[in-house]
Formats: sequence, C-alpha cells, structure tokens
Amino acid sequence: GESVGLHLPTLSVQEGDNSIINCAYSNSASDYFIWYKQESGKGPQFIIDIRSNMDKRQGQRVTVLLNKTVKHLSLQIAATQPGDSAVYFCAESSYSSASKIIFGSGTRLSIRP
Amino acid sequence: EAQVTQNPRYLITVTGKKLTVTCSQNMNHEYMSWYRQDPGLGLRQIYYSMNVEVTDKGDVPEGYKVSRKEKRNFPLILESPSPNQTSLYFCASSKTPPRTSGGTNEQFFGPGTRLTVL
Repeated sequence: GESVGLHLPTLSVQEGDNSIINCAYSNSASDYFIWYKQESGKGPQFIIDIRSNMDKRQGQRVTVLLNKTVKHLSLQIAATQPGDSAVYFCAESSYSSASKIIFGSGTRLSIRP
Repeated sequence: EAQVTQNPRYLITVTGKKLTVTCSQNMNHEYMSWYRQDPGLGLRQIYYSMNVEVTDKGDVPEGYKVSRKEKRNFPLILESPSPNQTSLYFCASSKTPPRTSGGTNEQFFGPGTRLTVL
C-alpha cells in the first residue's frame, strides 16, 4: 500500500535556529496532509494541515510547504525552543480513502542549548 | 475541560482473554478513531467512525472490533488478544472527518493505553 515516510529519523537543532522536518509520500492521490507533534508520554497533537490546492500554509511559528511534483512536504519551525523537542509525524489522506489517515514513522527533534 | 479519555491507561493480559479499552470524548465530535503505535511504524489506524452506528476499517483492523452506540463513546474490543497486539493504543476524535472542506478537522488524541499481551 501507500507509504508516508521521512527522510531523517532524528534531527538535532540549536536553540533559536529554525528547524526543517521533511516528509516524503508516495501516493499521488494524496491531497490532504497533516503535521502532528508527540511529546514523550503523550498522544499526538495537531500542529497544522494543508490541502493539495495550496503549496504553503503558515501557523504560529510553523510553516508547512507542499511540493506535489516531487511528493514532498516539510514542516518549518521558526526560532526553535526547548518545548519543541518531540517526535513529529506527517500524515496524509487521499480522496480515494476519504476518512483514513496514514501516518509516517516520525522524526525526533532534539534541541541543543 | 475538553478532552478524550481512555481506560485503562496500562493493561497486562494473557493471550485469548477478551478485553475492552474504552474511549470517551466530551466535545460532541462526530469522527472518532483508534490507532496503534509501534516503534518504527508510526501510528496505524485500526478503525474509525464517522458518526453513531457508522464504523469502518482502517489499515490494520484484524483482531479488533469497535462499536459506536453513543456519540461520545468508541470502545475498542479485542475478542482474543494475541502477543502481536502488544502496542500503545490511541483514541482520537474530531468535529468532522479528515479532509472535510470548511470543517474543523483537528484530531484530539487521548493519553494512550499501553497494552501488553503475554
């Protein structure tokens, strides 16, 4: 079946720098994407979503970029803070499976002081 | 406080002994879903429900059952648990199903249930 994966399993970033977490997907029918943050011992938390009719969406300190040509999306976190330490998941959904959500395996973001 | 609750939070059981993990949300959400999380595999959707009495299989439904008799509750049932169902389970809910245009798609997750089947 389709897979949603990540380029890097871990990412270490200096506090204050920007973080970029990448995600690749293989299903060309995917048209809705979501980023989640999961802190240790907690359930995932919605960060931001984007539809395929957009290539960029901004939230509070976060930006998601979508490149449908190469089936890639990224999550950018501005001015990374210690509280951003977590595992980040991308997830996708397609019109052919309207209510299913498929998650990637996650990237662990760690912050260096 | 708006939340999704799961019980129990931790459970150790033996192969073949039926168990139920409860999930309840107090946000009047229509869409509810169960996921399992395993190391290196991320979250995989087990079952989801669009509304009361409407349930559908996710990607890994084998060995699980669900029911949605009330809007707020979405229990996960393991009729005959096996060791390969040892996992961390999350229930989630959202106002509307994913991808709903103009809807509130944000999923709220419960705290998780760690299940060990011996």
